[in-house]
Amino acid sequence: QQPVQSPQAVILREGEDAVINCSSSKALYSVHWYRQKHGEAPVFLMILLKGGEQKGHEKISASFNEKKQQSSLYLTASQLSYSGTYFCGTASGGSNYKLTFGKGTLLTVNP
Amino acid sequence: DAGITQSPRHKVTETGTPVTLRCHQTENHRYMYWYRQDPGHGLRLIHYSYGVKDTDKGEVSDGYSVSRSKTEDFLLTLESATSSQTSVYFCAISEGSDRGSYNEQFFGPGTRLTVL
Repeated sequence: QQPVQSPQAVILREGEDAVINCSSSKALYSVHWYRQKHGEAPVFLMILLKGGEQKGHEKISASFNEKKQQSSLYLTASQLSYSGTYFCGTASGGSNYKLTFGKGTLLTVNP
Repeated sequence: DAGITQSPRHKVTETGTPVTLRCHQTENHRYMYWYRQDPGHGLRLIHYSYGVKDTDKGEVSDGYSVSRSKTEDFLLTLESATSSQTSVYFCAISEGSDRGSYNEQFFGPGTRLTVL
């Protein structure tokens, strides 16, 4: 079952902040975040593992609430380059290889 | 950038014809994946491979088959293409290391397939 992302779309002005949420009905082992620009491939942003480990870009921050099976991606002081569709991918069952992706959140940053 | 290529990048075909898409990697990664991306659905896993000749189904595997005879190549075949298989297909790879626990996925450039 796909994780649920919210909001579906958000429009910001440059310099504003945004939070994108990802929620699953299954117990999660990890949450992965990707960004996709129009006409391009998804690009890895961050991984958060059960237990607290994480790996990702310096300018991106995220949280993972294991008990609630939820993750949030925090985009602060947004730049025009942040525009794109953000996807969360979730892994369950103790392995990190097989992901189920949400439907995406479209972020538009305007000047 | 991870060395992943997909071929062809664009293809138009007719209903009922067989189609094979190729994914090639130069990273020697263990895991390879095929996804399809459709408006409103995000990325959906079709099949994945965890080694040469080792494959498993994803959530939307009906109508698709895969093969992996070499570490670097992962083929996706539509035995008899249908209009519902019109989509953008992405290949992805991940290291799959037993030592590491991250295994982030790196995506190829995608193949746009149109079935008329």
